Amino acid sequence: RKEVEQDPGPFNVPEGATVAFNCTYSNSASQSFFWYRQDCRKEPKLLMSVYSSGNEDGRFTAQLNRASQYISLLIRDSKLSDSATYLCVVIPKLNSGYSTLTFGKGTMLLVSP
Amino acid sequence: EPEVTQTPSHQVTQMGQEVILRCVPISNHLYFYWYRQILGQKVEFLVSFYNNEISEKSEIFDDQFSVERPDGSNFTLKIRSTKLEDSAMYFCASSEAGTMAPEAFFGQGTRLTVV
Repeated sequence: RKEVEQDPGPFNVPEGATVAFNCTYSNSASQSFFWYRQDCRKEPKLLMSVYSSGNEDGRFTAQLNRASQYISLLIRDSKLSDSATYLCVVIPKLNSGYSTLTFGKGTMLLVSP
Repeated sequence: EPEVTQTPSHQVTQMGQEVILRCVPISNHLYFYWYRQILGQKVEFLVSFYNNEISEKSEIFDDQFSVERPDGSNFTLKIRSTKLEDSAMYFCASSEAGTMAPEAFFGQGTRLTVV
């Protein structure tokens, strides 16, 4: 089983739509979870951290289900600028202050006018 | 806004040649990382570096790879004898200290093409 698994997509949605991505992880001892965004041929950029209680940042909502080992990202009112690849990222263990990231392959989102 | 900078943005090299990829992490960060992304594949961890030594490395980071912090600002990745399969985007990242998974900031990457 892959460490972090995502549906590669692409998800094609019209502007204004709501879209949700899921991600599963294999290591039940994983400590921290994130969604990163990556534009074509660019570096990954942190979108938001994911907490057990769920968290929201504007149009973006992230949820963590530790029992089922999955993470979700919901994007409301999609904008053209949301078109990108969304990377699910897990930190398998805490290592005295540094954060080695394990990436999923990403889910591509294409928002059309 | 502080950022991680990488040079060069693109490097083409012949198989068997040595390459050095350079990074300037954010100045108050203490942890440094190299990741790579082969075209169409996921981002993969190579190595983490703290206090002038390697903290952790992946299976990818074999004897052909080395890292160095030659001065107070630069952080380099050296590939001794490049192979075709080393062609990838190499990302440097840095983070502050702390045990609660601090955010890692990524540089814009160096695209390495081995021919």
